Amino acid sequence: QSALTQPASVSGSPGQSITISCTGSSSDVGGYNFVSWYQQHPGKAPKLMIYDVTNRPSGGSNRFSGSKSGNTASLTISGLQAEDEADYYCASYSSSSTWVFGTGTKVTVL
Amino acid sequence: QVQLQESGPGLVKPSETLSLTCTVSGYSISSGYYWGWIRQSPGKGLEWIGSLFHRGTTYYNPSLKSRVAITIDTSKNQFFLKLNSVTAADTAVYYCARAAVVGTSWFDPWGQGTLVTVSS
Repeated sequence: QSALTQPASVSGSPGQSITISCTGSSSDVGGYNFVSWYQQHPGKAPKLMIYDVTNRPSGGSNRFSGSKSGNTASLTISGLQAEDEADYYCASYSSSSTWVFGTGTKVTVL
Repeated sequence: QVQLQESGPGLVKPSETLSLTCTVSGYSISSGYYWGWIRQSPGKGLEWIGSLFHRGTTYYNPSLKSRVAITIDTSKNQFFLKLNSVTAADTAVYYCARAAVVGTSWFDPWGQGTLVTVSS
């Protein structure tokens, strides 16, 4: 069970949009619509931002959106704000009732 | 509001067993959902350890399956993690979280995490 592949870092200026990719295989990302995304600020617990590829939890910010094409899922942050600077992790259900996380992406707001 | 809180020793000796407790408040764990453990080694990414349903069904990370056990005590609204034969590689912040796994998939909310260091 290998970790899903994410870019190590992504940056953008305030107000811009950025996209983080999450690449797996047909056994996880490509095989199921069960990709979720988590935001983690330093020293804090992860927070659910997107689930089942495109859904936002109740009360979640509409600046965050998700999508998927083949074996790659993506998280887009629109209208980038200073508070969005954090680490982001994707996760996917995988075959045999297991779950796998991504390698993580550090988002920097310039 | 559902809240989770991890507790347990912060220091474990190599070859011994790591034991952690997750106490859930604001929700009865016997009402549904799965309950999971995830860890994060210092400066590294997240690793799913395993999840269980209150009726006993468990799923484990294949890489840890031979050493891990997750159990539950519905009377105390707690669930537990045991990881045996630990090494320095098991040093990590351990998080517990509520998990949805049937027809949907997410971990939310998470506990604040507890650092466990494996060292003699």
